[in-house]
Amino acid sequence: AQSVAQPEDQVNVAEGNPLTVKCTYSVSGNPYLFWYVQYPNRGLQFLLKYITGDNLVKGSYGFEAEFNKSQTSFHLKKPSALVSDSALYFCAVNPWANNNDMRFGAGTRLTVKP
Amino acid sequence: DGGITQSPKYLFRKEGQNVTLSCEQNLNHDAMYWYRQDPGQGLRLIYYSQIVNDFQKGDIAEGYSVSREKKESFPLTVTSAQKNPTAFYLCASTPRQGLGQPQHFGDGTRLSIL
Repeated sequence: AQSVAQPEDQVNVAEGNPLTVKCTYSVSGNPYLFWYVQYPNRGLQFLLKYITGDNLVKGSYGFEAEFNKSQTSFHLKKPSALVSDSALYFCAVNPWANNNDMRFGAGTRLTVKP
Repeated sequence: DGGITQSPKYLFRKEGQNVTLSCEQNLNHDAMYWYRQDPGQGLRLIYYSQIVNDFQKGDIAEGYSVSREKKESFPLTVTSAQKNPTAFYLCASTPRQGLGQPQHFGDGTRLSIL
């Protein structure tokens, strides 16, 4: 069975500093990996995905994520955090594009302080 | 602009009452999903539908029912059999099942017990 773990419930960073939100996964076969962001009382918004190819994936709003097959990780990163990046971030995985079996992590709340 | 519309934004249920949450999309997507979001638990799949007049149970279907009479619409009924319905409900869609496409989300309905 596939699963995804976000080991940190909360991440706090200062504005202008780099940020990392961690995600590890467990899946049989090749994974399709996603990051979403959720603002209060809103739905999830897609940020980026890894399907195949380069291990560094670039997405919306300056975010990027690094796929590491040996460590089964897909950490979200941004070189310089903004206060407006404060939100709830979800990592998701599904095996080989079976969208009916998308598994979401529990979410990590990112707070960027001015 | 195309998107997913969920209504109402807030809903209150009385004891023994069935309530229906609306989800409409104008993205011409084939697959639609219903998720339940509880604090600290991520998203859990209730039901999904790949095509009109067909739908499948997800991980937590008990106490819920759905229909898919039109491609654009996928309403969710929370029945009186669902003893703990208080949650944030999210509807999502994808263009086609099995292509690794990200899911598009509505802005949710927050259901509470009176």
